Amino acid sequence: QVQLVQSGAEVKKPGASVKVSCKASGYTFTRYPMHWVRQAPGQRLEWMGWINTGNGITKYSQTFQGRVTFTRDMPASTAYMELTNLTSEDTAVYYCARGRGLELPLDNWGQGTLVTVSS
Amino acid sequence: QSVLTQPPSVSGAPGQRVTISCTGSSSNIGAHFDVHWYRQLPGTAPKLLIYGNTNRPAGVPDRFSGSKSGTSASLAITGLQAEDEADYYCQSYDSRLSGSYVFGTGTKVTVL
Repeated sequence: QVQLVQSGAEVKKPGASVKVSCKASGYTFTRYPMHWVRQAPGQRLEWMGWINTGNGITKYSQTFQGRVTFTRDMPASTAYMELTNLTSEDTAVYYCARGRGLELPLDNWGQGTLVTVSS
Repeated sequence: QSVLTQPPSVSGAPGQRVTISCTGSSSNIGAHFDVHWYRQLPGTAPKLLIYGNTNRPAGVPDRFSGSKSGTSASLAITGLQAEDEADYYCQSYDSRLSGSYVFGTGTKVTVL
């Protein structure tokens, strides 16, 4: 079965960077795009962007453009999300989610990674 | 980032029917992009509930149904059960800014 397992919780200081991993199993990693979505405490889901896991092409939400980078390690079937210049407003749970293609739904989600930004 | 608008909360007694609206615009739902729905139980990751406006993934009971018209979509839950108490989000695609995914504001369903 499809599984997305994310790395553990992180605590960072303002101005630092964080890198979250998402290891996929149960399907061919490079055939499906990987999206990243975040959810601040008590808030709605917020789409961050996606990466074509086959060719590495990325699409970032304008909200995060310039501060976020998606990468992937194909042999390891792992996607990564790095967010820089963190502020307290970046405190949130970050999810990876498998896409089915452009405009199509996110059909499997990781368990989430809590990133806390605090001085 | 544009968003889709949902009511903050809806409630109903066990066995009743509730509906959740999702209002978009001419650049997303009104542009004929599909609407998908997710359910998020407390403390867990979202899970796909309805895709392509009306379709249920395997394992989702037929108590859940979706519809779409114009710039809006709706999720209906019939025969409301205690385990349906969760947050529900709609999601679509928006053609502005070279294309992006947009989520609804979220609706908390409470079973009375």
